[in-house]
Parts: sequence; structure tokens; C-alpha cells
Amino acid sequence: EVQLVESGGGLVQPGGSLRLSCAASGFNFNYFAMHWVRQAPGKGLEFVGSITTNGGSTYYADSVQGRLSISRDNPKNTLYLQMRSLRTEDTAVYYCVKGGSGTKWDLLEDWGQGTLVTVSS
Amino acid sequence: EIVLTQSPATLSLSPGERATLSCRASQSISNSLVWFQQKPGQAPRLLIYDASIRPIDIPARFSGSGSGTDFTLTISSLEPEDFAVYYCQQSYNRPPYTFGQGTRLEIK
Repeated sequence: EVQLVESGGGLVQPGGSLRLSCAASGFNFNYFAMHWVRQAPGKGLEFVGSITTNGGSTYYADSVQGRLSISRDNPKNTLYLQMRSLRTEDTAVYYCVKGGSGTKWDLLEDWGQGTLVTVSS
Repeated sequence: EIVLTQSPATLSLSPGERATLSCRASQSISNSLVWFQQKPGQAPRLLIYDASIRPIDIPARFSGSGSGTDFTLTISSLEPEDFAVYYCQQSYNRPPYTFGQGTRLEIK
């Protein structure tokens, strides 16, 4: 069974930094692209970014480009989201998402339960 | 950026009825359209991808159709557990992708 467990969320001041982690299990982490999607309280879904299997390519939403960065540690089966220069509008639940197989690498197939990041003074 | 517009914003129906949800793209996206279901306090769940393909664990009452700019999610006969928010998402070309604003399906 695929399990994705996010951690690292919490309260941070505007301009601050935070690093989210996602511990993956139940599948061969090395073989799947991974993604982050966020959801502001009471709002819809927003794509944050993606990382390919070996970390060689990353993709970001314009709203986070240059401030948020995705990385992965394949031997540790862990995905990361480094967040810098945080703004109040970054307040959201952040979901870790496993991609699909093969050409469906960008399919948002399996989701974690999310971790809440609150940016406030 | 490709914009997805979902309609209606809210749909009120009774169990056993047929639900039809719409998603329109601002430009042609071929069949690169995905549907998700989200229940309160839960993560989204993948329902349909490539506009009409249903993962094996999704009940047959869920179906998707459309191509180009106009897409539809149909629930043939609503079960009590189907009342939720539904999002469409385009997966055209490469990330970053965009989502629709959601349709809330509520019990009438």
C-alpha cells in the first residue's frame, strides 16, 4: 500500500523559511516522479511543483518560482519542499503526491494527508 | 496559462439521481484532463484521467468524456458517499498544471 506522510508544517513569520518532508513507503520511490500540491484554507487546489525520478528536472508554478524548491533523497525515500521568503498567501495545506507510471509520470495518482503551513506574524 | 472553468459552482441533487459536471478549458488540451474527488478533511482522490479512463478502484458509475476544450464528469446514480467537491485539472504539455475552481455536489 502506498503511504505518503508529510511533516514539517507549522507557524512561520512572513519572510521566514520552512522545510517540508514527505516519507514514502509501499512502492519503489526511485521509479516515480513526485509532486507537491497545496490548498489554502477553504479554497481550491493549486499545483506547486514536480520533480522527476532522479531529480534531474523540476517544474514550478509561477507563484512559487524562485522561493520554493523541490528535492528528493532516493536512498531515504523522502521528498522535500524547501520554502523561503514565505508570504501570507503561502498559507495552505501542502500535499505530497506520487506520480503515475511511465509516460503518466505527471499524473497526480496517490496523495498524502497533507501538512498545514501557516504564514503569519 | 491554461484556465479551467467548472460549472456549476454548486449542484444540488438527491441520491439515485444523475450528476453532470462540466469543465471548460481556455484552449484546446486534447484529452489531457483529470478529475478528482475531495471529501471534507480528506486529500483529493483520482477519479478519471485522460478525460475518460477510470482507475481500477473507481466505481463504474463515474465516467468522463470530452476532448479539446469541453469535458464532462458524469455520475450515473448518486450514492450518499458521492457528495463532495470535484476538481478538474489539465495535464497538457508539461507542468506546471492548473486546476478548475471546483464544483460542490450537495444533497438536495
